[in-house]
Amino acid sequence: DTAVSQTPKYLVTQMGNDKSIKCEQNLGHDTMYWYKQDSKKFLKIMFSYNNKELIINETVPNRFSPKSPDKAHLNLHINSLELGDSAVYFCASSQGWGGRTDTQYFGPGTRLTVL
Amino acid sequence: LAKTTQPISMDSYEGQEVNITCSHNNIATNDYITWYQQFPSQGPRFIIQGYKTKVTNEVASLFIPADRKSSTLSLPRVSLSDTAVYYCLVGEVGDMRFGAGTRLTVKP
Repeated sequence: DTAVSQTPKYLVTQMGNDKSIKCEQNLGHDTMYWYKQDSKKFLKIMFSYNNKELIINETVPNRFSPKSPDKAHLNLHINSLELGDSAVYFCASSQGWGGRTDTQYFGPGTRLTVL
Repeated sequence: LAKTTQPISMDSYEGQEVNITCSHNNIATNDYITWYQQFPSQGPRFIIQGYKTKVTNEVASLFIPADRKSSTLSLPRVSLSDTAVYYCLVGEVGDMRFGAGTRLTVKP
């Protein structure tokens, strides 16, 4: 009965490859997010989707493309992977649209290593 | 964009009360203050949220003075399992920034 799940948990790949990370939430939430946590442990928001529509798109390379097939899923596709993409990627969800009182529920993270 | 400042690290011993203070001098009138906890190799987990005065739940208390320019997360009688990074966040999700947080180490 995991609330927010991500697959895979670990992803090791070569530079230049294309990879996807999947995220699913079973909380019935309206909004989903992707965060990147770098080696210095700073957690930074990348995207958020509300009811399948993009509402936050921080400054990330356009090699990163989120896809929301339905309200319960938000996948992250990364093209032409680079060494600097190595990080832990967290998916999260919240009931509302990300307002001041919204509480986010995070997934377990996907550790991406680009060689 | 509300910026927060927290101590980088704190040490404590089992059974003690731990207070972590966060500064948010430019908090907006409508902003709430939210604290998250992150264990190694896990995603952050919501602990508590408040707007003013004091909020208490089964895990922690949050003290917010009248000027709201700071807040203090209080963890009563910590145990080894409370060793984690604690983040203070202010504002809307899109405006919030998870900084370095406060790394709390609880020792036996």
